Amino acid sequence: QSALTQPPSASGSPGQSVTISCTGTSSDVGGYNYVSWYQQHPGKAPKLMIYQVSKRPSGVPDRFSGSKSGNTASLTVSGLQAEDEADYYCNSYAGSYNFVVFGGGTKLTVL
Amino acid sequence: QITLKESGPTLVKPTQTLTLTCTFSGFSLSSNGVGVGWVRQPPGKALEWLAVLYWNDNTPYNPSLRSRLTITKDTSKNQVVLTMTNMDPVDTATYYCAHRLYTWGAFDIWGQGTLVTVSS
Repeated sequence: QSALTQPPSASGSPGQSVTISCTGTSSDVGGYNYVSWYQQHPGKAPKLMIYQVSKRPSGVPDRFSGSKSGNTASLTVSGLQAEDEADYYCNSYAGSYNFVVFGGGTKLTVL
Repeated sequence: QITLKESGPTLVKPTQTLTLTCTFSGFSLSSNGVGVGWVRQPPGKALEWLAVLYWNDNTPYNPSLRSRLTITKDTSKNQVVLTMTNMDPVDTATYYCAHRLYTWGAFDIWGQGTLVTVSS
């Protein structure tokens, strides 16, 4: 069970869109539609932004969207705002033993 | 409103056993599809999943830490307890408990976290 692969950093200017990738294998991301994304501001607990690849919990702005192709999932943040600057982590269900695996995290900077 | 809060020692010595308690409200661990999990985060590093306890008593563990972890529940107190044996300085981290929905496959509500330092 290896961690999912995310780029260490991403950036964009206010109003722009940015996409963060999350690469796994056919045993996790590619095998199940249970990819979730979390936003974490410094010193704060993670917050669920996306679940089941592309669904948004109540209260999460529709500027946040998720998708998946093969073994790679993606989080897109549209219309970037200053408050979107945070660390983002992907997460996937990973097998019949109900394992869970996180990505290494991506620091999103709003320029 | 669902809330969770972690409690336990802030400092443990190497080789000791860590016991953390997650006290929750707003849901029942007996409800179908509900779970409580533990996730940790070393300072400046990524999140790492540790274990989950589900409504049906299924308890998956991180395979790399399985031999050191035990997750249990006290339903009457609305608590989930995580024990980790043989603590090492590399286990220094903020430990979070979180509400998990089996059908969502996600941790939807998180506690504030508790920092545990392992040092002699």
